[in-house]
Amino acid sequence: KAGVTQTPRYLIKTRGQQVTLSCSPISGHRSVSWYQQTPGQGLQFLFEYFSETQRNKGNFPGRFSGRQFSNSRSEMNVSTLELGDSALYLCASSLAGQTYNEQFFGPGTRLTVL
Amino acid sequence: TQLLEQSPQFLSIQEGENLTVYCNSSSVFSSLQWYRQEPGEGPVLLVTVVTGGEVKKLKRLTFQFGDARKDSSLHITAAQPGDTGLYLCAGARMDSSYKLIFGSGTRLLVRP
Repeated sequence: KAGVTQTPRYLIKTRGQQVTLSCSPISGHRSVSWYQQTPGQGLQFLFEYFSETQRNKGNFPGRFSGRQFSNSRSEMNVSTLELGDSALYLCASSLAGQTYNEQFFGPGTRLTVL
Repeated sequence: TQLLEQSPQFLSIQEGENLTVYCNSSSVFSSLQWYRQEPGEGPVLLVTVVTGGEVKKLKRLTFQFGDARKDSSLHITAAQPGDTGLYLCAGARMDSSYKLIFGSGTRLLVRP
């Protein structure tokens, strides 16, 4: 079974631009979560989608948004990029209804904001 | 607010040595997971512990969940260079099993 895939793997943007990242979950997984990983803050939860609905949200500004499609694929968007948005963005999928919410991560998208 | 504190933050040891990584919180979790992340990759799930006092073994790795479900430890016996990586603990909060809280991580280097 194929793992979680994320595109693109690397991205360089300038301040003020916007960016869209894509995630394809493991086949059969209906929950997709997004995380931001930085050296200073570690791994921080952005949001989680299930059946095209945002089910949970972390403490990030409204510039960070996401969506999920009917095939469970998900995208996240960051508008008006800031230098501090430079990070590794990780997508993870999990089985729906799983109590322990075990996450299967993709390799991440490394975003650099200049 | 960091709900899960990991210690130590960095660890550099010689091949063959033993080590223990700790994950502590003042909050109770319904379950706790351990992940390992290697450079350029996403975290990979190692184990999930769900019962207070539970001990799980995965080859040379031993995981323990505290009796009160507030803390956990990871012990590696006879560490090998292949164990090198970032170890992350993650707790599922009692109020929502959909949101995981990750610890700050322990970066382990095992020197040959």
